[in-house]
Order: sequence, then structure tokens, then C-alpha cells
Amino acid sequence: EPEVTQTPSHQVTQMGQEVILRCVPISNHLYFYWYRQILGQKVEFLVSFYNNEISEKSEIFDDQFSVERPDGSNFTLKIRSTKLEDSAMYFCASSEDEQYFGPGTRLTVT
Amino acid sequence: GQSLEQPSEVTAVEGAIVQMNCTYQTSGFYGLSWYQQHDGGAPTFLSYNALDGLEETGRFSSFLSRSDSYGYLLLQELQMKDSASYFCAVKAGGGADGLTFGKGTHLIIQP
Repeated sequence: EPEVTQTPSHQVTQMGQEVILRCVPISNHLYFYWYRQILGQKVEFLVSFYNNEISEKSEIFDDQFSVERPDGSNFTLKIRSTKLEDSAMYFCASSEDEQYFGPGTRLTVT
Repeated sequence: GQSLEQPSEVTAVEGAIVQMNCTYQTSGFYGLSWYQQHDGGAPTFLSYNALDGLEETGRFSSFLSRSDSYGYLLLQELQMKDSASYFCAVKAGGGADGLTFGKGTHLIIQP
């Protein structure tokens, strides 16, 4: 069964550094998403992407964040200058109709 | 704004049936999804309702009443592996609209 994959599974970075989180969506899906989940809290929508451009973004998705689909298979989330409060699980999802989530990247900012 | 309300915790016995409720207040509504999440894991899609009524998938059923802004997830023949958090999530529009999640219900299964 096709699934969304994400790398790395865990990323540790220092405050102020740039990080890139990578995702490979399910191949025939058209819509791509990033969500985050701070430990013990609910899943929060960050951004959606369709037809090579951002479709919708939340107020969390400020100028520090960017997304890109650099080729036909990868979908990336870049955080330009990480802050302590960016520590969270970051989930990529893709959909035709229902959204299917990847296993997540645990980002720890020290 | 968007808000979804779910009970924080429900306890049930192995082999029994449990219902987990979700009420929502959203500026738009396209459909209600349910996800399961085990500790440290990813949200796993369970069920989706766009229209009023009951959707059944094996041991899982989901119900929606759009007029009441209310839905529930029903789990039958509970197994210990069903111990997890269950989230309802609203999609406000079609296409690439993101999901707004509730805070989730932590389901505890007792033998």
C-alpha cells in the first residue's frame, strides 16, 4: 500500500539554524500539506500546496517558513531561523480526497 | 474561527463498544474526518463523513449530523490495541484546504 514517507525521523538543531524537512507524498496525490504537533497538543495545520504553489496557509506559517516541490517526488518544509518554540513533530500529508499522513519528523531546537 | 470539542478521555472494557463525540463550530464545513494516533505515531485516517448519516468500515463507524454540528466515532469489539488518541478534524472547504483538528479523546481500554 502506498504511503507518505518523511526524512529525517529526528532532527536536532541549534536555535537560529536553518532546517529542511523532507517528504515524499503518495505518487498520484495532487494536494500536499504540512502540519505540526507540539508535544501533548493537537495537530495544527501549517500550509497546503497544489499545482506548484501555496494554496492555503495558517497564521503559524510566517516568513520563517517556506515550502518547495523541487522535483516530481519531493516536498520540503524549510524553517529559516529556528526558535525554541519550533520544537515539535512535523507531519507531511498528501491527498486526493482523504489526507494521509507520513510518520513525522521530530524537530528538537536547542 | 474554528473550534472542535471532544471529551479528553474515555475508558472502556475490552470487547465492548465505545462512542466518542465531536462537536464543531467552524466558519465553513466540507466534511468531518476521524484519525487515530498512538503515542509517538502519525495520525492514521479512519473515516470521513461529508453527508449526514452513518459510515461503516469494519469495526469503526462514524456518524455526522450537519444540522447539529455534531459527529461521533463508534468502535465495536474493542481490542487492547485500540488504546490511542482519536481526533476529529474538519475540512472547511474542498480542494487543498487544511484540516482543523480537535484536541482528541484519549481512549483507555481495560481488560
